[in-house]
This record gives sequence, C-alpha cells and structure tokens, in this order.
Amino acid sequence: SQQGEEDPQALSIQEGENATMNCSYKTSINNLQWYRQNSGRGLVHLILIRSNEREKHSGRLRVTLDTSKKSSSLLITASRAADTASYFCATDAGGAQKLVFGQGTRLTINP
Amino acid sequence: NAGVMQNPRHLVRRRGQEARLRCSPMKGHSHVYWYRQLPEEGLKFMVYLQKENIIDESGMPKERFSAEFPKEGPSILRIQQVVRGDSAAYFCASSPRQVGMNTEAFFGQGTRLTVV
Repeated sequence: SQQGEEDPQALSIQEGENATMNCSYKTSINNLQWYRQNSGRGLVHLILIRSNEREKHSGRLRVTLDTSKKSSSLLITASRAADTASYFCATDAGGAQKLVFGQGTRLTINP
Repeated sequence: NAGVMQNPRHLVRRRGQEARLRCSPMKGHSHVYWYRQLPEEGLKFMVYLQKENIIDESGMPKERFSAEFPKEGPSILRIQQVVRGDSAAYFCASSPRQVGMNTEAFFGQGTRLTVV
C-alpha cells in the first residue's frame, strides 16, 4: 500500500496565488521528500525535510512536517504557469531503504 | 555529470515478447530503484538494487519480471512474455547512499512500454 497520501488530488488556481498541498503518511520516517513531475517526464526532487525538522524553505517553496500527526504540507507562493505539474510526497517509510510515493496532487496554474 | 539515463524512451512489444529496459545511474551512484507508473497515478515501487545485489524486490511480480545491476553496465529490468497489463511508464532512480540516510533520488525520464 502507498505510504503517502496527498490531498487534494487536484488543485486549480490563478497565477500569482499560493498553492498548498498536504501529505499524510502511516509509519515512522527518517525523512520526507517532495518531487515534481511535469507531464510525461521524470520526477524532479524539490526538497527534503528530516524527521527532526519542522519547517524548510527553498525559494518559493515552504515545507512543514508534523511527525505527531504524520503529515506534511508543501506551499508554493506566488504561483506561475510553469508550476503546473503533479507533486508527490515520498517517505523512506521508517528506513525501508526505498522511497514510497503517494498518489500525487495535480496542480494547474491558470494564467 | 550526466543524469540518470534510461533507454529506450518508448518501447512497443507484442503480447508474449520480452521487454528489456535499461538504466544507467548517475556517476558514483551505486543504489538503483525501479518504479512503475500508470496514467494519472503515483509511482509504485518495484525493486531496489545495490551493485550486483537485489536488496528489496517486494514490489516486483514474482513471475515474468526480473532485475539486475551488474558490476559493469546498466541496470536492466526484464519483463518476459509481456501482457497488455504491463503497459505503463517505468522509471529508474539512483542515489549515492540509501534514501533513508537523508538522500534524494535522481530520476530518469522513464521508458514508456506499450504492449499491443
């Protein structure tokens, strides 16, 4: 079964607005990672947050992690049309030596 | 330093044929992962290999599917006697250390297998 579950499954917003995606997971983790996938392409790593971290920033990206609730959120500020993609969270599922992915959130930025 | 290279990008096979998917990890990466993705779905883990060894194959069907990562050369995912249900995108990823050691994975562009 999938470790991570993203919410919402699809999100459509206007350019310039902020986009927030959530991820829940089931087991303990060492780290949680967010990836982006443009249509028909491979996945690109966005950000990694360790289990002892609560928040991390990278450019317009902000990731939070709440290990007590087993959840994470990805915030993209000032969205652009180029941010249109699917976003996936992945965890190492408690040291399982592999990344386990959720179903993803399909983000559409309308110009 | 070239990224993860997968070939072919597109592969068409008739039912019953064999499909061989190749993955060359990034230079210096000894950990390779194979994933399968159906349209509009997430990535499902298939197998994790570390130079010449299969570490975790819990996501790979026991029949018809096999994977290897030889000392020299690319990792190979082999699907024998393909069926229509094998049609999917297959992604390979590599990393320099185990992902549990707070390491990101680098993905290839995938091989899109179509079984006709």
